[in-house]
Amino acid sequence: EPEVTQTPSHQVTQMGQEVILRCVPISNHLYFYWYRQILGQKVEFLVSFYNNEISEKSEIFDDQFSVERPDGSNFTLKIRSTKLEDSAMYFCASSGGRVSPLHFGNGTRLTVT
Amino acid sequence: AQKVTQAQTEISVVEKEDVTLDCVYETRDTTYYLFWYKQPPSGELVFLIRRNSFDEQNEISGRYSWNFQKSTSSFNFTITASQVVDSAVYFCALTTTGANSKLTFGKGITLSVRP
Repeated sequence: EPEVTQTPSHQVTQMGQEVILRCVPISNHLYFYWYRQILGQKVEFLVSFYNNEISEKSEIFDDQFSVERPDGSNFTLKIRSTKLEDSAMYFCASSGGRVSPLHFGNGTRLTVT
Repeated sequence: AQKVTQAQTEISVVEKEDVTLDCVYETRDTTYYLFWYKQPPSGELVFLIRRNSFDEQNEISGRYSWNFQKSTSSFNFTITASQVVDSAVYFCALTTTGANSKLTFGKGITLSVRP
């Protein structure tokens, strides 16, 4: 069964550094998302991406965050200058339609020290 | 605005007991979709079920069943004869047709099944 893959599984970085989290969505999916989950808390929406542009973003997704689909397969989340509070599990997801189930990757655990 | 409430935070049961996880939602949209996801200790989010607002039929899949009641805005999930492998965090989530599949999650319920 096709799946969403995320790399790396764990990323440790120092405060102020830039990180790029990578995702390969399911190949025939059209909608792409990033969510984050701070340890022990609920899953929060960050951004949705469709037709090569951001379709919606949350208040969390400020100017420090950006997303890109540089080629036909990858979908990346960049955090320009990480803060301690960015430490969380970041999930990439994709779906085939506007109300289709989201298929999540296994997540990247980001630790900012 | 959408909201999902999972009032139970932690549930502990002994293996083979039945357990029901509650979910209450709020939305002004008449067309919406409800989901349950499972997050086992390994951390991934696993899709379990989707139900649309026009389909109030209950669904059963093996030991899992879902009870959707629009009158009470609830979409409860029952695990029959629970097993240790059911131990996980379970999230209820909601999206609407205007939301581009953006999911609003509840806070999750941590289910522990003891042998």
